[in-house]
Amino acid sequence: DAKTTQPPSMDCAEGRAANLPCNHSTISGNEYVYWYRQIHSQGPQYIIHGLKNNETNEMASLIITEDRKSSTLILPHATLRDTAVYYCIVRVYNSGNTPLVFGKGTRLSVIA
Amino acid sequence: SQTIHQWPATLVQPVGSPLSLECTVEGTSNPNLYWYRQAAGRGLQLLFYSIGIGQISSEVPQNLSASRPQDRQFILSSKKLLLSDSGFYLCAWDRGFNSPLHFGNGTRLTVT
Repeated sequence: DAKTTQPPSMDCAEGRAANLPCNHSTISGNEYVYWYRQIHSQGPQYIIHGLKNNETNEMASLIITEDRKSSTLILPHATLRDTAVYYCIVRVYNSGNTPLVFGKGTRLSVIA
Repeated sequence: SQTIHQWPATLVQPVGSPLSLECTVEGTSNPNLYWYRQAAGRGLQLLFYSIGIGQISSEVPQNLSASRPQDRQFILSSKKLLLSDSGFYLCAWDRGFNSPLHFGNGTRLTVT
């Protein structure tokens, strides 16, 4: 699977949009971009994933560049409960036994 | 709906003692199952994954082993624990083929 690069930490004011970048310049055509987050002392939580089109769900939006070499996770109105480590991962599509490999992620601190 | 159960939540064991952590998934059949470990202040490390009963793939050589005696049951074991086995152990499942990974609440193991 392709490697991802994320900033180690970011701050965001409560109520503002949090934009978390991820670089995956070596991504292949059959690899999806996944985002997870891990709140302290809990298991990681799935947020969203996409291939090449932008995606939105009740938690976040995922913006993938046209060349697919980078993406941005957007939390539209960050709250204190969004403070967590956010992981960007790429994974081969249609592979039933390719496990997710987590990097170091971005530690997002939402500040009141 | 699908749920994943992992127990115990916390465990304190002496060095050299055996270990058995159990994970079960409800509400789905033939899931892919995974064991991850997170040492204090570190990232998530994939330990084992399984695509079916009796099929175990090991990612990291160590004194741990995994077994899948039933379709929705995944067990992590050790015959003799080391201090370095301390950490946060997470079980997870997915259906493969681009489905999201879902984590349990984890077991915090302290080896003394």
